[in-house]
Amino acid sequence: DIVMTQTPLSSPVIVGQPASISCRSTQSLVHSDGNTYLSWLHQRPGQPPRLLIYQISNRFSGVPDRFSGSGAGTDFTLKISRVEPEDVGVYYCMQTAATSRTFGQGTKLEIK
Amino acid sequence: EVRLLESGGGLVQPGGSLRLSCATSGFTFSNYVMNWVRQAPGKGLEWVSTIGGAFDTYYADSVKGRFTISRDNSKNTLYLQMNSLRAEDTAVYYCAKDVAVGLAPDYWGQGTLVTVSS
Repeated sequence: DIVMTQTPLSSPVIVGQPASISCRSTQSLVHSDGNTYLSWLHQRPGQPPRLLIYQISNRFSGVPDRFSGSGAGTDFTLKISRVEPEDVGVYYCMQTAATSRTFGQGTKLEIK
Repeated sequence: EVRLLESGGGLVQPGGSLRLSCATSGFTFSNYVMNWVRQAPGKGLEWVSTIGGAFDTYYADSVKGRFTISRDNSKNTLYLQMNSLRAEDTAVYYCAKDVAVGLAPDYWGQGTLVTVSS
């Protein structure tokens, strides 16, 4: 299985400041169809996850443009340009390039 | 509005069985890849299983041979039959649909709790 490793695992940030989370995979996430299937999800306490970004950099409907994704191959990054209080929670990267899908361990974003 | 509602969770003894259901509405169910994802208490997300529109199925190694995913397109419902349950299967089980293009879970249910304990 493809292993997804996120760094950092915890990120205290100040409201209005940027934040960045990295995700690395043990294999390339480029699918045989040429697309790269790496997504980012956000989970607030007590809530189901919600999709933020798919295929590296495509923001899902309704996701604020302060969220952006980048990367290629095995190295990916989620950036929040200016953290808002509602951005707290756990962020997960997820690969769906392989038939056996896998998540990263999660990165907990908290406000300083 | 897209809706997914899981049901069927509960307390079961080790070695027992449960069948989870996910009733959906607000989209053409038969056209979408569907997933089960679980989250053990205080832990991260774990992918469990996926079923495609052509009824192709995929499983995590941890559940292969014990769990069966299925779908009834006439009822817009996703299922997860769970047999030979173990304590480590204790988790909230979420169903989620994929985006139309992109292979990513975009809409999620609220989850149903499965507790495996004697």
